Amino acid sequence: QSALTQPRSVSGSPGQSLTISCTGTSSDVGGYSYVSWYQQHPAKAPKLMIYDVSNRPSGVPDRFSGSKSGNTASLTISGLQAEDEADYYCCSHAGSYTYVFGTGTKVTVL
Amino acid sequence: QLQLQESGPGLVKPSETLSLTCTVSGGSISSSSYYWGWIRQPPGKGLEWIGSIYYSGDTYYNPSLKSRVTISVDTSMNQFSLKLNSVTAADTAVYYCARDTGGSGTYLSWGQGTLVTVSS
Repeated sequence: QSALTQPRSVSGSPGQSLTISCTGTSSDVGGYSYVSWYQQHPAKAPKLMIYDVSNRPSGVPDRFSGSKSGNTASLTISGLQAEDEADYYCCSHAGSYTYVFGTGTKVTVL
Repeated sequence: QLQLQESGPGLVKPSETLSLTCTVSGGSISSSSYYWGWIRQPPGKGLEWIGSIYYSGDTYYNPSLKSRVTISVDTSMNQFSLKLNSVTAADTAVYYCARDTGGSGTYLSWGQGTLVTVSS
């Protein structure tokens, strides 16, 4: 069970869109519709942003969206805002109620 | 409103056992809708899923930690616990407890996290 692969960092200007990829295998991302995304600000607990590939919990802005194609899931942030600057982690079901997180992506708002 | 609070020693000696408890308030740990998990984060590094438990006592562990991890639940106290034995410096991390809705890895509610340092 290896960590899912995410880009180390991505950046964008306010108002722009950016996409974070999360690449796994057919044993995790590609095999289940249970991919979630978490936002983490420094010294804070992670916050759920997307669950079950593309669903948003109540209170999460619709600027955040999720999708999946094959073994790669993606998180897109549209209309980037300063407060979106944080670390983002994907998480996927990996069989038998086990889970694996991604390596994490630092989002910088220029 | 659901709250989770981790508690336990902040310093553990190498080769000893790390023990943490998560106390749940504002909701019942015996609800059939949820699984209860432990996730950790070494300083400056990413998140690692440790394992989870259902109120019935069914447990699920990260294969890489399975030989050293035990998660248990105490429904009477509305708590669940983590034990990690034979710790090394690599186990130094912030440990989070969290609630998973439906066993899909949907961790909506998290504790604030507690730093455990492994050092002599």
